[in-house]
Amino acid sequence: DAGITQSPRHKVTETGTPVTLRCHQTENHRYMYWYRQDPGHGLRLIHYSYGVKDTDKGEVSDGYSVSRSKTEDFLLTLESATSSQTSVYFCAISELGTGNTEAFFGQGTRLTVV
Amino acid sequence: DAKTTQPNSMESNEEEPVHLPCNHSTISGTDYIHWYRQLPSQGPEYVIHGLTSNVNNRMASLAIAEDRKSSTLILHRATLRDAAVYYCILRDTGNQFYFGTGTSLTVIP
Repeated sequence: DAGITQSPRHKVTETGTPVTLRCHQTENHRYMYWYRQDPGHGLRLIHYSYGVKDTDKGEVSDGYSVSRSKTEDFLLTLESATSSQTSVYFCAISELGTGNTEAFFGQGTRLTVV
Repeated sequence: DAKTTQPNSMESNEEEPVHLPCNHSTISGTDYIHWYRQLPSQGPEYVIHGLTSNVNNRMASLAIAEDRKSSTLILHRATLRDAAVYYCILRDTGNQFYFGTGTSLTVIP
């Protein structure tokens, strides 16, 4: 199994509070991704990174920011959590950004905003 | 990004082959066809990918139509552990890949 660790695995937080989710990899892969998964929507891309300090937005980036100061860590921050951000969040890594490269996923973080 | 179309759900009997279809009529010449599956309460798991030719690995086979507008994931002998949501995805050099809602496979004992 690819070395991907998401933390925390579960979190309950209050509306309006900041929340940071962490994705840590031991594979030295260049690309890292954050997805959210909600019933009826499959997985939707929030942000991704193609190198240290290099990030870009995905299809549902509003309300989220990311940072990548080291190859192994990709942080997802909800500046002011809302109930609509209650979801399961998955991190993924990929050695390259080409079509001929597979991705590996973490086990997910279940976030509940009350 | 090019999109894919999959049936919402399928059923299969245990120990029988399963053919999961995917349509991708707007595929471009540089798009690779990827399949992932997601077991309950787990993250997605890579299954197989290909460009033009059929591909085989220990988990499954991928059959790609000659015009590349459709593909089929083949599980040669379904087991109860294969019950999952299967996603067909197109990936090119655009650094991103997008998931649809996938096909929920039920395996009947």
